[in-house]
Amino acid sequence: EAQVTQNPRYLITVTGKKLTVTCSQNMNHEYMSWYRQDPGLGLRQIYYSMNVEVTDKGDVPEGYKVSRKEKRNFPLILESPSPNQTSLYFCASSISGRETQYFGPGTRLLVL
Amino acid sequence: KQEVTQIPAALSVPEGENLVLNCSFTDSAIYNLQWFRQDPGKGLTSLLLIQSSQREQTSGRLNASLDKSSGRSTLYIAASQPGDSATYLCAVPPNAGGTSYGKLTFGQGTILTVHP
Repeated sequence: EAQVTQNPRYLITVTGKKLTVTCSQNMNHEYMSWYRQDPGLGLRQIYYSMNVEVTDKGDVPEGYKVSRKEKRNFPLILESPSPNQTSLYFCASSISGRETQYFGPGTRLLVL
Repeated sequence: KQEVTQIPAALSVPEGENLVLNCSFTDSAIYNLQWFRQDPGKGLTSLLLIQSSQREQTSGRLNASLDKSSGRSTLYIAASQPGDSATYLCAVPPNAGGTSYGKLTFGQGTILTVHP
């Protein structure tokens, strides 16, 4: 089944404790990205990657890092999480970025 | 900067009714528009992608139309069912050069409730 998977689905952590949210897709897509969804602010792009080893900032990249060492994986790293990063996070992928985008199930993060 | 607005913010209808969800965008120079569905606690499911050269796109009971010149898209749901209850989002990519073409700007969504 073609899909985008994310892990973990739910995470509670404390300020400053590094964490990684994994994202994997099995559709051989070149383009992958991360969004966060917040009440009243909607969905905003954090980072995107056009291909392996090619990443760039979206609208809200502060406090996040990403890497793209393999085509299928695009982890989101929070080096020192803060409470304002409490949010619902989505990973997405598409063939090149200009086609239908497929979203993962989301990761709900709470930073205390 | 592209802005996307969805009206209404919420809609409650009885089962079987046909309904229309609206999406408007400020920059009409888009190359596609995508409609998504989001269920509580779940991710976004792509419903339809309509290219800028298309006027309509259909999938089952769903029909999306696009009028670029007026900056509008509508999602028509025929014979609504309780299972259609969800938040519906429209999204457009930027009409800009560079590499940001995959970044979607989303509307705030329409929360649809279909009651039996």
